[in-house]
Amino acid sequence: DTGVSQDPRHKITKRGQNVTFRCDPISEHNRLYWYRQTLGQGPEFLTYFQNEAQLEKSRLLSDRFSAERPKGSFSTLEIQRTEQGDSAMYLCASSYDEQFFGPGTRLTVL
Amino acid sequence: SQQGEEDPQALSIQEGENATMNCSYKTSINNLQWYRQNSGRGLVHLILIRSNEREKHSGRLRVTLDTSKKSSSLLITASRAADTASYFCAPGESGAGSYQLTFGKGTKLSVIP
Repeated sequence: DTGVSQDPRHKITKRGQNVTFRCDPISEHNRLYWYRQTLGQGPEFLTYFQNEAQLEKSRLLSDRFSAERPKGSFSTLEIQRTEQGDSAMYLCASSYDEQFFGPGTRLTVL
Repeated sequence: SQQGEEDPQALSIQEGENATMNCSYKTSINNLQWYRQNSGRGLVHLILIRSNEREKHSGRLRVTLDTSKKSSSLLITASRAADTASYFCAPGESGAGSYQLTFGKGTKLSVIP
C-alpha cells in the first residue's frame, strides 16, 4: 500500500496523559499536513511541513501540541496533558500537488 | 486560505438517480479539489480541477468550475448505495504561499437502495 498511513488508528487515553501519533506520507511527497476533525465538521488545519521545515501553524495548535518531521519523511504529532476537548479524529495528508489523506487516528480522552 | 461552502447540507436520493452538490467560494483560486469521506474514515481525493478548466470527468463523476460565479459542482451519475458519504470541496487560493486547505461542513449524501 503506497498511500498515507497513520498509527495508531484508535487511541483511548485518560485526561492529563500525553499521546503521540505517527504519519507516514506517500514517499515522493515533500509536503505533509495535520488536520483535526470533530463530529459533523470538516477537517480543520493544524500545521504543515515542507520537507523537514514546519512552515505554518494554526492558532488551533496550542502550546500542548507539537509536531515534528525529522529528515523530511514521517511526522509525529504529540499532545501533552490531554483534555476532553482534544477528542477528535486527527488526519494526516501529504502532497506534491493534490493532497492525499490517511485513514486518521481517532482520539478519545476520558 | 479560504473555505468552500457546500450546498445542500444533506441530500437523499434513490439508487440509480443522479446527485448534484455545489460549492461556492469567495476569492480567486488556482484549483479546487473535491473529497469524499465515508463515516469515521479518512478523506478520499476525487478530483482536482484547475482554474483554467471548465469541466472534468472521472468515471461517474463530473466536476464543473465557473470562476466568474466562484462556484463548482460535483455530479455523481447513476448513484449507488456505496456513494453514501460526506462530500467536501477545498478551494486552493491563487498567489498564496499557503497550501493549507479549509473545509466547510460538507454535503451529506444518502443513497437509498
